Amino acid sequence: DTAVSQTPKYLVTQMGNDKSIKCEQNLGHDTMYWYKQDSKKFLKIMFSYNNKELIINETVPNRFSPKSPDKAHLNLHINSLELGDSAVYFCASSQDGGDNSPLHFGNGTRLTVT
Amino acid sequence: GEDVEQSLFLSVREGDSSVINCTYTDSSSTYLYWYKQEPGAGLQLLTYIFSNMDMKQDQRLTVLLNKKDKHLSLRIADTQTGDSAIYFCAETTTDSWGKLQFGAGTQVVVTP
Repeated sequence: DTAVSQTPKYLVTQMGNDKSIKCEQNLGHDTMYWYKQDSKKFLKIMFSYNNKELIINETVPNRFSPKSPDKAHLNLHINSLELGDSAVYFCASSQDGGDNSPLHFGNGTRLTVT
Repeated sequence: GEDVEQSLFLSVREGDSSVINCTYTDSSSTYLYWYKQEPGAGLQLLTYIFSNMDMKQDQRLTVLLNKKDKHLSLRIADTQTGDSAIYFCAETTTDSWGKLQFGAGTQVVVTP
């Protein structure tokens, strides 16, 4: 009965590869997000989607392409991985993207690029 | 631009109260949040407060907001070892579509 689930939990890959992270929420929320947490634990938004429509793209390189097949899923595909992409990526969802609509986070995917 | 700052580390003895402080600069902040992150886990929403309120209490947690000084605090009463974690404050504004501005997190270590 996990609310926001993302897979895989760990991802180790070499530079130049392409990889995907999947996220699903069963809360019936309309809005989903990807956040990135760097090695210093700093969290920053990457994307937000509302009802499958892109709302926020926070100057993320084009190598990162989110895809939302339906409002319960938001996947993140990363092309040509670079060392600097190593981080923990968190998926989240909220009821409607409003400021009084708290975000619920998944447990994160730790990406290590070697 | 917006900035949220927190002290990086807090050590507290089991049974004492913990107070984690946070300051923010965006005067248009509408909601302020506290999240908890345990090792290897995601962010757990603890509580949040509307910017027009000055206090919110939820069991062992008390949030105080001084909007004039843009200062937010989280008090944890009777701190337990299970409270050891990183605590993040975050703020958001109207029409931000879930864009939370996070602080760097405060590492709380509870000692027996």
